[in-house]
Amino acid sequence: KQEVTQIPAALSVPEGENLVLNCSFTDSAIYNLQWFRQDPGKGLTSLLLIQSSQREQTSGRLNASLDKSSGRSTLYIAASQPGDSATYLCAVRTQSLDMRFGAGTRLTVKP
Amino acid sequence: NAGVTQTPKFQVLKTGQSMTLQCAQDMNHEYMSWYRQDPGMGLRLIHYSVGAGITDQGEVPNGYNVSRSTTEDFPLRLLSAAPSQTSVYFCATSVGDGYTFGSGTRLTVV
Repeated sequence: KQEVTQIPAALSVPEGENLVLNCSFTDSAIYNLQWFRQDPGKGLTSLLLIQSSQREQTSGRLNASLDKSSGRSTLYIAASQPGDSATYLCAVRTQSLDMRFGAGTRLTVKP
Repeated sequence: NAGVTQTPKFQVLKTGQSMTLQCAQDMNHEYMSWYRQDPGMGLRLIHYSVGAGITDQGEVPNGYNVSRSTTEDFPLRLLSAAPSQTSVYFCATSVGDGYTFGSGTRLTVV
């Protein structure tokens, strides 16, 4: 059974800092990995999707990497802003195409 | 284009009551799924469907029923609500690699 873990559970940084969020998964036989953002009381917004054959994806200030052999992914946020404050969720799509989520990292960026 | 619409947004039930959470999509996506989100546990898959007439169980299916009579709709039924089913429920659709989530239904069972 695929299990997804995110560390840390919560993170608080001052504005302008670069930061890294971590995601690990137990079964390397994945279809893809996706990072989502969730604002309080809202649904999920997809940020980046990495196919199992890819090593990284970039969108603006966000960069996600994937190391399938070690079961790890990182989400790098450059020059953080208060508007980046949210919960970030990592999700692995299994070979049977359902998604398994981590518990998320709650990020606070202080002005 | 509404995407994925979930109703209701909030609901309070008494233990033992039944209800149906509605999910409708207008994107003609074949794959639909239901998740529940509990504090500190991320999202867990309840049931999913790969097309009309086909449903299957996810990680936590007990206490929930689903059906998929059309591509557009994927209702989730609670036959006899229990306090352990207090949660936020999300419906999602998928085509290819991308997932689209509804805004959620916050359910409280007292």
